[in-house]
Amino acid sequence: EVQLVESGGGLIQPGGSLRLSCAASGFTVSGNFMSWVRQAPGKGLEWVSVIYSGGTTQYADSVKGRFTISRDNSKNTVSLQMNSLRAEDTAVYYCTRGRLASGGFDSWGQGTLVIVSS
Amino acid sequence: QSVLTQPPSVSAAPGQNVTISCSGSSSNIGKNYVSWYQQLPGTAPKLLIYDHNKRPSGIPDRFSGSKSGTSATLGITGLQTGDEADYSCGSWDSSLSAGVFGGGTKLTVL
Repeated sequence: EVQLVESGGGLIQPGGSLRLSCAASGFTVSGNFMSWVRQAPGKGLEWVSVIYSGGTTQYADSVKGRFTISRDNSKNTVSLQMNSLRAEDTAVYYCTRGRLASGGFDSWGQGTLVIVSS
Repeated sequence: QSVLTQPPSVSAAPGQNVTISCSGSSSNIGKNYVSWYQQLPGTAPKLLIYDHNKRPSGIPDRFSGSKSGTSATLGITGLQTGDEADYSCGSWDSSLSAGVFGGGTKLTVL
């Protein structure tokens, strides 16, 4: 069974850093496209970043230069390192499998809440 | 505001049919596939339709998708109270080199 479990969310002050992790089971992250999608309270979905099976990464303009997506094939995990956090980064962050260009996101984690506030 | 445009809300009675539109441009829907997601209250989104009109295993054929030009449509027939949820469309934007979503449509089954 395919499963994604996020961790690492919490309350962080503006300008701080946080690292989110996504543990995958039932498939290998190295052989799939893996993305992060976030949802601010009461708002719609926002694509954040993708890491392709070949290792290439892409980011939304809103997080470019501040967030870094990576994966650990040995642990079958995907991570999102978030630096210089802002209030507008407050959201539930979902780890997903797949890509929007084709196939869509066929698996989602339960989400982890990040609150950026002083 | 979102790159893809959806109506904020739609409503219909149980048993009726409803459509939800998703309007984009030549750089996203016009060039790349569209997927649709259902998000029940307090839960993570779930893939309903991918590649414009394909249904993942387990999704009933009451749900359908179509695309014409730079717009896509999600159709739901035989509405059930359990269909009350937020529905979002998503695609890739080749000009932005980024994923894009619609703002979401809240479906109320009266």
